Amino acid sequence: DTGVSQNPRHKITKRGQNVTFRCDPISEHNRLYWYRQTLGQGPEFLTYFQNEAQLEKSRLLSDRFSAERPKGSFSTLEIQRTEQGDSAMYLCASSQWTFEGGQPQHFGDGTRLSIL
Amino acid sequence: SQKIEQNSEALNIQEGKTATLTCNYTNYSPAYLQWYRQDPGRGPVFLLLIRENEKEKRKERLKVTFDTTLKQSLFHITASQPADSATYLCALDGNQFYFGTGTSLTVIP
Repeated sequence: DTGVSQNPRHKITKRGQNVTFRCDPISEHNRLYWYRQTLGQGPEFLTYFQNEAQLEKSRLLSDRFSAERPKGSFSTLEIQRTEQGDSAMYLCASSQWTFEGGQPQHFGDGTRLSIL
Repeated sequence: SQKIEQNSEALNIQEGKTATLTCNYTNYSPAYLQWYRQDPGRGPVFLLLIRENEKEKRKERLKVTFDTTLKQSLFHITASQPADSATYLCALDGNQFYFGTGTSLTVIP
């Protein structure tokens, strides 16, 4: 178990630029989640995948955000035309979902995005 | 929409004492509730899960209770240690996954 890996750890970019983050989940996990976290707040759900299918997307997520999980393995989160308000920590988590439910999520250490 | 509230103030306790953190939720009847620990600059780490048919769950110095009538979970750390200092998050699973804002705990030596 090598854990959930996120790259890059830090990203600084100018407003208006596009950014892409990568998440490598625990290999046997079928679910992958993306969250955004700002200082003093809990993680805010963005979207999740069951294998390669994107099953749920937060209504708070603007059209500038898109996520993919090709072949049900790693995932990417892209933000187009970044804005100041996009500055946050972006967290990825994975879990092995079963019908019983409640499986713990394993988090990476996130990508910190700073918009200049 | 789902709303989850945790202790709004940071919690400071003396080493050796029991820390009690609260998690209150509205607009939902979850089948289970999870607690996570988060250290600065790191992702959350899973601690405990409690299901709706369980009143109490224990793991070493940790204890979680779940009152579905009050819509509340309590998280206890007994014999607290400075190494327990962190932010603790409760979370519910619906069609999305909802986290509370977290409670910052500081254990003073």
